[in-house]
Amino acid sequence: GENVEQHPSTLSVQEGDSAVIKCTYSDSASNYFPWYKQELGKRPQLIIDIRSNVGEKKDQRIAVTLNKTAKHFSLHITETQPEDSAVYFCAASGTTDSWGKFQFGAGTQVVVTP
Amino acid sequence: DTEVTQTPKHLVMGMTNKKSLKCEQHMGHRAMYWYKQKAKKPPELMFVYSYEKLSINESVPSRFSPECPNSSLLNLHLHALQPEDSALYLCASSHPGQLAKNIQYFGAGTRLSVL
Repeated sequence: GENVEQHPSTLSVQEGDSAVIKCTYSDSASNYFPWYKQELGKRPQLIIDIRSNVGEKKDQRIAVTLNKTAKHFSLHITETQPEDSAVYFCAASGTTDSWGKFQFGAGTQVVVTP
Repeated sequence: DTEVTQTPKHLVMGMTNKKSLKCEQHMGHRAMYWYKQKAKKPPELMFVYSYEKLSINESVPSRFSPECPNSSLLNLHLHALQPEDSALYLCASSHPGQLAKNIQYFGAGTRLSVL
């Protein structure tokens, strides 16, 4: 089955700096890669996603890149703000008949200090 | 509306109690999911319903019993739980359709404590 590894487990950045979180996956059939942000005590919220037919996607200060050959994808947050502090999870899923069964990474705790 | 609503928000129960968690969505999604999440860990998939039929059971103990009475509602019936079952229980749903089906929307969860 799919295995997703996520690094780093914790990331401290100064406000205004950039943050990068990396994930690798094992199943070459995976073709959908979402990123979820979960603030303390809140629900996971989809912040950006990418499909395997695209190499990069941007949404304001957030971008995701995908390298299918190397089987890794990364989340980039620019100009970080204190409200970016949260746990971020990457995930991977494939187009089987499993209705979007996700394999999540272990999560990255991001702390943005003013 | 991208709302998935879960009730109750908090639940404390004894090991001999029977209780139920409820999840509702009105987005026309035909896949619904139950996840269990421990502190500082990713969500772990428990069950998937597609078109109101159970399609995935991730070897969950029988003390957890899911039910999908209609396309908008998902229940999780709890009986004879153990203290280690204390966790945040998340519901999610996704839209049918070849590409859209991957996008899962999560509810706020029920924080369960088993005493």
